[in-house]
Amino acid sequence: GAVVSQHPSRVICKSGTSVKIECRSLDFQATTMFWYRQFPKQSLMLMATSNEGSKATYEQGVEKDKFLINHASLTLSTLTVTSAHPEDSSFYICSAGPDSTNQPQHFGDGTRLSIL
Amino acid sequence: QQQVKQSPQSLIVQKGGIPIINCAYENTAFDYFPWYQQFPGKGPALLIAIRPDVSEKKEGRFTISFNKSAKQFSLHIMDSQPGDSATYFCAASLQTGANNLFFGTGTRLTVIP
Repeated sequence: GAVVSQHPSRVICKSGTSVKIECRSLDFQATTMFWYRQFPKQSLMLMATSNEGSKATYEQGVEKDKFLINHASLTLSTLTVTSAHPEDSSFYICSAGPDSTNQPQHFGDGTRLSIL
Repeated sequence: QQQVKQSPQSLIVQKGGIPIINCAYENTAFDYFPWYQQFPGKGPALLIAIRPDVSEKKEGRFTISFNKSAKQFSLHIMDSQPGDSATYFCAASLQTGANNLFFGTGTRLTVIP
């Protein structure tokens, strides 16, 4: 079945560091990918919609200059948390659905980001 | 505004019991209703999904009941096992694939041996 791979699974770094997270669709093409943030014991909060070849669409309240999204190919989207601070510590998850509208979305295994 | 409301927040059942998780939505344009299972430290995994043209769908021990007129749908887990202990999320979207999913708030299920 369709698989979405997310890397790295865990990052621990110092405040001020920029962190890049990759999301790959392994066996299908995805024009659109989604990036979510999840706080402990809470639901997934959509941050942005990543569109291949064009600018990402950010949800209200999400800083586009803080969370840079690049979707350079049909199988890869990246989320870069720039100048990360402790409040950016969270679980970040991507998802992708095949371009066919009859196929479901699948999620990556998430990235646990911890900023010291 | 919460597009999809989910209850209960947590649920504890004995092994073999049938936990039921309920969701309700407002947007009648929603066309696809998946359920996801999430274990700690992992991303959500698609469990089962339904479209509004059917009232019930069963896959293994998991069943979705769908009530279009009431704008409600629920997940039933038959013969629940300790390995089913996880957080379950209902969701809704306009279509599958490249469309945004609106998630419920999640239900933490614990199945006691």
